[in-house]
Order: sequence, then C-alpha cells, then structure tokens
Amino acid sequence: EVQLVESGGDLVQPGGSLTLSCATSGFTFSNFWMTWVRQAPGKGLEWLANIRKDGRDQSCVDSVKGRFTISRDNAKSSLYLQMNSLRVEDTAVYYCARDRSIAFGGVDYWGQGTLVTVSS
Amino acid sequence: QSVLTQPPSVSGAPGQRVTISCTGSSSNIGAGYGVHWYQQLPGTAPKPLIFADNNRPSGVPDRFSGSKSGTSASLAITGLQAEDEADYYCQSYDSSLRGYVFGTGTKVSVL
Repeated sequence: EVQLVESGGDLVQPGGSLTLSCATSGFTFSNFWMTWVRQAPGKGLEWLANIRKDGRDQSCVDSVKGRFTISRDNAKSSLYLQMNSLRVEDTAVYYCARDRSIAFGGVDYWGQGTLVTVSS
Repeated sequence: QSVLTQPPSVSGAPGQRVTISCTGSSSNIGAGYGVHWYQQLPGTAPKPLIFADNNRPSGVPDRFSGSKSGTSASLAITGLQAEDEADYYCQSYDSSLRGYVFGTGTKVSVL
C-alpha cells in the first residue's frame, strides 16, 4: 500500500524557517517524480514544486522561488521542503504527493497534509 | 493566481447530471497537456478522479467522466449522489510557467 506521511508542520514567526518531511512507503521511491502542493485556509490548491526521480532537476512556482527548496533522499525514501523567509501568506496545509508515472500525468497519491502557521 | 478558471459552484438534484468547466489557454490545456481532476471532501486530502483528460483511476465510479476540447476541459458527474458534495479541482501543466497549475476550484452541492 502506497503511503505518504508528512511531518514538520508548526507555528513559526514571520521571517522564520521550517523544514517539512514526507516519509514514503509501499513503492520504489526512486522511480517517481515527487511534488509539494499547499492549500491556504479556505482557499484552493496551489502547486508548489516538483523534483525529478534522481533529484537533479526541480521546478517551483514563482511565489516561493528563492525561499523554498525541494529535495529528496532516495536512500531514505523521503521528500523534503526547506522553507525560509516565511510569510504570513505561507500559512497553509502542505501536501506531499507522488507524480503519476506518465509524462505530465498529475498526481496519483497524496499524503494527509501537515499544517504550517506563520504568525507573530 | 490560477491560470485555470472554474465556476465557483454548481448544484443539482440527486440523480441529475452536472458539469464543471475548466478554462485554460494555449500554454496549458490548449498546448495538449493532459487535464486531471481531483475531488476534495471537507477536511481531507484531494483524491484523484480523472487523469490525462478522460481516464478514471481504479475504484472511481463511471459516473465521473472527463473531456477536453481546445483550451477547455470538463468534468461530468451523472447520477448525482449526496456523497458527491465536495470541492473539485482541475490541473494541467503550463509550459510558460514551467510547472503545474490548478484550477480555481468548484464546490458541488446536492440539493
């Protein structure tokens, strides 16, 4: 059974940093692109970033470029999101997701999400 | 801001058919990139509903179907049921943004 479990969500002050983790199981992690998606309270889904199977290529949305970094450890079957210079508007539930194995195929599995609250 | 536009809400009586539109542009849907749909029940993670325009993952009822034409796509729900009350999102890849984008989301209500 494919499982994605996020952790690391917390209350952090504006300007602070946080690292989210996503532990995976039930599939060969190194065979899949992985993605982070977030959802602000009462708002829609926002695609944040994804990373290639070998970790050597990443893409991210402009709103977090230069502040957030996606990475992975294939030996640990884990995905990460390093978040710096956090802003109030970064408050959201952050989802880890597995990309479908076809090109531009969207997401086929989601984690349950972890809440990040940015507030003073 | 999202580049894929959906109606904020649609509603229908049990058993009826409803459709949700997803309007994009020549850099995403119109460029031929697949459109994917997700259902999100309150307080839960999104669930894949349709992928690559019109394909249902295993376990998704055939009451749900997808289509695409030009720069737009649609999700149809036939035989609407109370359990279909949820938020629905489309998604596609955008070559100008070099990343995926989600639609604005549509809330489906069963009257």
